[in-house]
Amino acid sequence: DTGVSQDPRHKITKRGQNVTFRCDPISEHNRLYWYRQTLGQGPEFLTYFQNEAQLEKSRLLSDRFSAERPKGSFSTLEIQRTEQGDSAMYLCASSRDRGRPNEQFFGPGTRLTVL
Amino acid sequence: SQQGEEDPQALSIQEGENATMNCSYKTSINNLQWYRQNSGRGLVHLILIRSNEREKHSGRLRVTLDTSKKSSSLLITASRAADTASYFCATADQTGANNLFFGTGTRLTVIP
Repeated sequence: DTGVSQDPRHKITKRGQNVTFRCDPISEHNRLYWYRQTLGQGPEFLTYFQNEAQLEKSRLLSDRFSAERPKGSFSTLEIQRTEQGDSAMYLCASSRDRGRPNEQFFGPGTRLTVL
Repeated sequence: SQQGEEDPQALSIQEGENATMNCSYKTSINNLQWYRQNSGRGLVHLILIRSNEREKHSGRLRVTLDTSKKSSSLLITASRAADTASYFCATADQTGANNLFFGTGTRLTVIP
């Protein structure tokens, strides 16, 4: 399977704990995006990488959130001191540099539940 | 706040009927895309229409774009039960930003 993969698919944690999610993009895609989706809403942009450089960050990405893409391949999204409001589906997407860069391919998501 | 809004929020039709969903957005765009999302899963890209295009077809899908009204429509012809999903429009604006702005989605139910 050469699609975008995310791990874990589900995470249940207690308030105050730290969590980390991983995303493996499609191998030839230079661009990687993180979105958050709450129930009944569309995805909301969090951050964007071009190779290993984090080029854009949304205001939604508070200080408790950090994302990395150390080698320009997989990415991690860490949430520190989780709050109940962090409960959501976290989606990763990737796209090419050229051609149709905005055509993004999404992974299955990581559903986070903060108790 | 999100860029777009879909209308209706929910749509229920019989198998074989056509389904039409509308999307309105707020700012000038580079392109508009439609995605499908099955319950609890990731999004699947359906079709992209550029700002200088007015209509595009892909299989049973037909998308229109009216930039003067800042609106788009997605038509699914001869619907199937497997088309049951949420459908989102997403826009890429002209600022060069790389993120997509998603609407709130239309929940389509196709009754067999």
